[in-house]
Amino acid sequence: DQQVKQNSPSLSVQEGRISILNCDYTNSMFDYFLWYKKYPAEGPTFLISISSIKDKNEDGRFTVFLNKSAKHLSLHIVPSQPGDSAVYFCAAENYGGSQGNLIFGKGTKLSVKP
Amino acid sequence: GAGVSQSPSNKVTEKGKDVELRCDPISGHTALYWYRQRLGQGLEFLIYFQGNSAPDKSGLPSDRFSAERTGESVSTLTIQRTQQEDSAVYLCASSPIGTAGNTIYFGEGSWLTVV
Repeated sequence: DQQVKQNSPSLSVQEGRISILNCDYTNSMFDYFLWYKKYPAEGPTFLISISSIKDKNEDGRFTVFLNKSAKHLSLHIVPSQPGDSAVYFCAAENYGGSQGNLIFGKGTKLSVKP
Repeated sequence: GAGVSQSPSNKVTEKGKDVELRCDPISGHTALYWYRQRLGQGLEFLIYFQGNSAPDKSGLPSDRFSAERTGESVSTLTIQRTQQEDSAVYLCASSPIGTAGNTIYFGEGSWLTVV
């Protein structure tokens, strides 16, 4: 049973527009969420995170929104740039518990067209 | 080095052979993780080491998989009697401390192909 779900395997967006990547989770014990970006033949790199005590965290063009009641988070990229084209992984963690690992979704491949 | 280092970067092996994958974490990082990503799939947790605590092996898919870590340094992931379904990129990551909401830093992965 997948605890972290990214239901859209791919997303295509025009340069300059907003990209919205979605993520749902089932485990109510998750209290820390992260987004990672992965280019081909490279390891994932950290992008942005959010604690469950917040509902929004912003870093430049990237904003993550968390809706705890819906167990849903989203990553907004605006404006989107061709260099943003990559696979984006949502990850969740039980920060306050004993679980020591991040649970990842399957990823969403974002393509930003010039 | 500055980042997580993995070796080999690419490995082609025959079905039934054993393979060892090595990970050098970032110096000073107490937590070390192994993940794998099979074609078209997400990142699958395998094992987690935190300091001197017993490792969390809950993600290892079978008893053919094992991993060791020497203190807070190098880790080796061993796959015995490899099968074609073991073909994947094996990603190692480290973080300064474990369950603290810290980000983890990934290596570039070891690409394993079992033929």
